[in-house]
Amino acid sequence: AQKVTQAQTEISVVEKEDVTLDCVYETRDTTYYLFWYKQPPSGELVFLIRRNSFDEQNEISGRYSWNFQKSTSSFNFTITASQVVDSAVYFCALFSNDYKLSFGAGTTVTVRA
Amino acid sequence: NAGVMQNPRHLVRRRGQEARLRCSPMKGHSHVYWYRQLPEEGLKFMVYLQKENIIDESGMPKERFSAEFPKEGPSILRIQQVVRGDSAAYFCASSPRVQDGSPLHFGNGTRLTVT
Repeated sequence: AQKVTQAQTEISVVEKEDVTLDCVYETRDTTYYLFWYKQPPSGELVFLIRRNSFDEQNEISGRYSWNFQKSTSSFNFTITASQVVDSAVYFCALFSNDYKLSFGAGTTVTVRA
Repeated sequence: NAGVMQNPRHLVRRRGQEARLRCSPMKGHSHVYWYRQLPEEGLKFMVYLQKENIIDESGMPKERFSAEFPKEGPSILRIQQVVRGDSAAYFCASSPRVQDGSPLHFGNGTRLTVT
């Protein structure tokens, strides 16, 4: 069975601080995909990033960056120079051979002005 | 290309009534998923459908819940004889294919309130 753990329930920062969200996953499959989704207060789910299990190269996209490490089964996500609009619930998710997306419990990020 | 469309956005039902939630996937997407989000919780998988076929319904409650994705028209999640515990946000997602881990695109959800 697939499992995603987001140990941080809530994070509160002041604007311009960096925020790192932790995600640990479990799967027996060798091919899988990892995702981060954002759910702002308005409630919709917004796709942010995707990584496949064969590509451990870490990247930066604007103010977002991620650190994928297969050795520790972690897929952490960082928001640099946070802004108030980044306030949301962030979900880490895993997709593999069962063809469904398994979500973590989510981390609520509050950015204060 | 319009996104995943869900309606209604909000639905209020009395206990014992039926709730019908609709989802129109993005154009060209034949894979549809339904997820449920209880208050203050994450998203739980309910069912995965691919045009006219239920592929995986392992997350669906055994009674009162059903889903379909007909050849023509939207996918429907139907909840019969609703109870207060059914109050939640129900999200639909679609994808053009699943073999390559294409991202699921979610609708804005239907917030069901059972009074």
